[in-house]
This record gives sequence, structure tokens and C-alpha cells, in this order.
Amino acid sequence: DAGITQSPRHKVTETGTPVTLRCHQTENHRYMYWYRQDPGHGLRLIHYSYGVKDTDKGEVSDGYSVSRSKTEDFLLTLESATSSQTSVYFCAAAGGAGQPQHFGDGTRLSIL
Amino acid sequence: GQQLNQSPQSMFIQEGEDVSMNCTSSSIFNTWLWYKQDPGEGPVLLIALYKAGELTSNGRLTAQFGITRKDSFLNISASIPSDVGIYFCAGQQVQGAQKLVFGQGTRLTINP
Repeated sequence: DAGITQSPRHKVTETGTPVTLRCHQTENHRYMYWYRQDPGHGLRLIHYSYGVKDTDKGEVSDGYSVSRSKTEDFLLTLESATSSQTSVYFCAAAGGAGQPQHFGDGTRLSIL
Repeated sequence: GQQLNQSPQSMFIQEGEDVSMNCTSSSIFNTWLWYKQDPGEGPVLLIALYKAGELTSNGRLTAQFGITRKDSFLNISASIPSDVGIYFCAGQQVQGAQKLVFGQGTRLTINP
């Protein structure tokens, strides 16, 4: 058990609404990540964090923002959801340098 | 964005057969990771490789870190039904925030 919990696990919402996904970890890991997984694209990095209040963009960051006010929580926000953001979102966390990432069980987000 | 070339994309085998899959990259990585993903769940770490030439086993699974640091292999011996799933390789460059680059995955199906 990697101690990573994502909420909600499933969400359906409408285009133009704001959406926030939460990732909570209990292992005091320094690094946290948000990915999206789509058929034909594998796992792609959206944003990541290397400490409290320290975040940076990944390869598919447009339309997403993140916040990390506590070590254990990493939030992903879609300010105005679009249908292209329908996907499965995974959070991951890693400890120190060179440590492997461990993943949560994902959030399936559908935007109609 | 950068991706790894993982092959094969899918495999259909008989129970009891051995399985081999590999990943190649044009970039050098300091760490290679292999994950397995079951339907509706997040990727689970199987094996982590940290040194060029390293050969590591985890039960019936064996993985190797290529000498050139641009490739890795995963073998599964004597496959069983619970081996069904999608296997991902990932390369990690140990600098900055430990970001991963993922392969597209190998979908393993086992015929009883």
C-alpha cells in the first residue's frame, strides 16, 4: 500500500464548470505528480511538486493548475473544464532523490 | 513530449509460456522502472533498476538495465492468469524533480 488516496474516484460534470481533484499521501513524500492517461498516449505529466508551495509544469499543463499547501495534499484544478479534459487522472508521489514513484488508483473524469 | 518505444504493444499467450518485452530510448536514463496496471487501478511498481547492466528479479519477473542506459527488458516466466494486465516501462533522469518518461504499454492477454 503506497498510502496515496485520490478523491473523488469518479466524477461527471459539464463543460465550463470548475473541477478540483485531490491527492492525499500519508508517507511524507517530498515529490508529488499529476498525470493523465488517455488511449494512445499513455501517461502524460500535467504538473508536479517538489515541496510545499513549489510546483512546476509538465508536458500537458494547459488548462490545469495545482496547489500544494501541505506536504500530504496536492490539488489539481480545471478552472473551466472542456471535453478534451475527459480522462483518467493519476496522482503519484516519491520520496527522496532516485526514489521510484508510487501511484494512486486514479480519478475517472467525464466532461459532457 | 518525449516517450519511450515499448514493444510489443500487445501479446496473446498461453498460460505457462514465458513473456518478454522491452523499451528503448534515444535518451540516457539513470533509473528504469517497470509497472503493471490492472483495470480500474493505478500502476503498481514491479521492479526498479538503478545501475547499467543490472539484472534484478522479483519472483517470476526479471528485468535488466541495458548497458547503454538507453534500454531495458522485462521477462515473465511461466505466466499465470493473474499476470494479465498492461505493463509500462518508465525512464527516470535523476535530476530536478525525478520526472518519469513512460512507454506506451504492453497489454498482456493469457489464453487458458
